[in-house]
Amino acid sequence: NAGVTQTPKFQVLKTGQSMTLQCAQDMNHNSMYWYRQDPGMGLRLIYYSASEGTTDKGEVPNGYNVSRLNKREFSLRLESAAPSQTSVYFCASSILAGGRTGELFFGEGSRLTVL
Amino acid sequence: GDSVTQMEGPVTLSEEAFLTINCTYTATGYPSLFWYVQYPGEGLQLLLKATKADDKGSNKGFEATYRKETTSFHLEKGSVQVSDSAVYFCALSFNTGGFKTIFGAGTRLFVKA
Repeated sequence: NAGVTQTPKFQVLKTGQSMTLQCAQDMNHNSMYWYRQDPGMGLRLIYYSASEGTTDKGEVPNGYNVSRLNKREFSLRLESAAPSQTSVYFCASSILAGGRTGELFFGEGSRLTVL
Repeated sequence: GDSVTQMEGPVTLSEEAFLTINCTYTATGYPSLFWYVQYPGEGLQLLLKATKADDKGSNKGFEATYRKETTSFHLEKGSVQVSDSAVYFCALSFNTGGFKTIFGAGTRLFVKA
């Protein structure tokens, strides 16, 4: 039972390069999310997709784009990487968009360094 | 705006000591409250949750009670183990047509043998 799978786990980029972080979940969840984790700041929401076919900005969307490819997959793209985007990125999913609880299931994270 | 504040770490305890990590929140409406735990090199995983006032969440010896009157959700464990060393995140969540989850900054716990 894989849960939420992210790739790659580690990546080093130069300023201005582009890359895509991939995320897939096998739990049939409706909602998917991308967070970034920075020291002392907890997790901040970049983008989320409440259901297949929809995406919305979170707290820190600038410099990122997302695609909800299908119900299972939600990718995060950095078009022109900047050192400020050095962070650990987490993909997460939740069971129901309309339910009350909103428990999140996380991937193992992708550590990105932008030089 | 909505927010979660938790005590700064790191917290260092000896094995079998009592643990409290304080968490308070500010929110409009009635959110669900969570504690997530992150072990080294891993993603976050749910530790416990409470969905309404006075609910107590519990798991693996950890407990937290949803206190609406004090807007708090403090995490406690009676006797910590070395294996409890991790970062603990308090969070709140409510449905705005897609879930909005707000996390605290995290509290790192070190437990010494």
